[in-house]
Amino acid sequence: KAGVTQTPRYLIKTRGQQVTLSCSPISGHRSVSWYQQTPGQGLQFLFEYFSETQRNKGNFPGRFSGRQFSNSRSEMNVSTLELGDSALYLCASSLPDSPYEQYFGPGTRLTVT
Amino acid sequence: GDSVTQMEGPVTLSEEAFLTINCTYTATGYPSLFWYVQYPGEGLQLLLKATKADDKGSNKGFEATYRKETTSFHLEKGSVQVSDSAVYFCALNPPDNFNKFYFGSGTKLNVKP
Repeated sequence: KAGVTQTPRYLIKTRGQQVTLSCSPISGHRSVSWYQQTPGQGLQFLFEYFSETQRNKGNFPGRFSGRQFSNSRSEMNVSTLELGDSALYLCASSLPDSPYEQYFGPGTRLTVT
Repeated sequence: GDSVTQMEGPVTLSEEAFLTINCTYTATGYPSLFWYVQYPGEGLQLLLKATKADDKGSNKGFEATYRKETTSFHLEKGSVQVSDSAVYFCALNPPDNFNKFYFGSGTKLNVKP
């Protein structure tokens, strides 16, 4: 079974631009979560989608948004990029059953200059 | 609020040494507890989990026991290998909180031949 895939793997953007990252979950997984990983803050939860609905949200500004499509694929968008948004963005998928074992993708490395 | 505290790294050991990485948590109710491992350039992989007090999770020679009385979930391995070199994350999923995970800051393990 194919794992979680994320595209692109690397991205360089300029301050003020916006960016869209994509995540394809494992086949059959309907929940997709997004995390931001930085050396200073570690792994921080952004949001989680299930059946095209945002079910949970972390403490990030409104510049960070996401959506999920009917095939469970998810995108996250960051508008008006800031230098501090440079991070590894990880996507994880899971089945809807508890406990929620999450399977992570390799991440998208975003660099904002 | 819910949180996870891990011992600071890096931890440097010789091959075949005994490993302990401490993890304590703060949470209301009975969360599920996890250890994830991140190899260089890769996303996180689930290593083991425990869903209730006194449960022992185990995988690939690693073990951790859910201790409610000490709110701990320490990771142990009797004999580490060079291939175990990675960053280890302790995480909790609060009850009824879907896929919102709280991660520790990670502990880097270096194993020398």
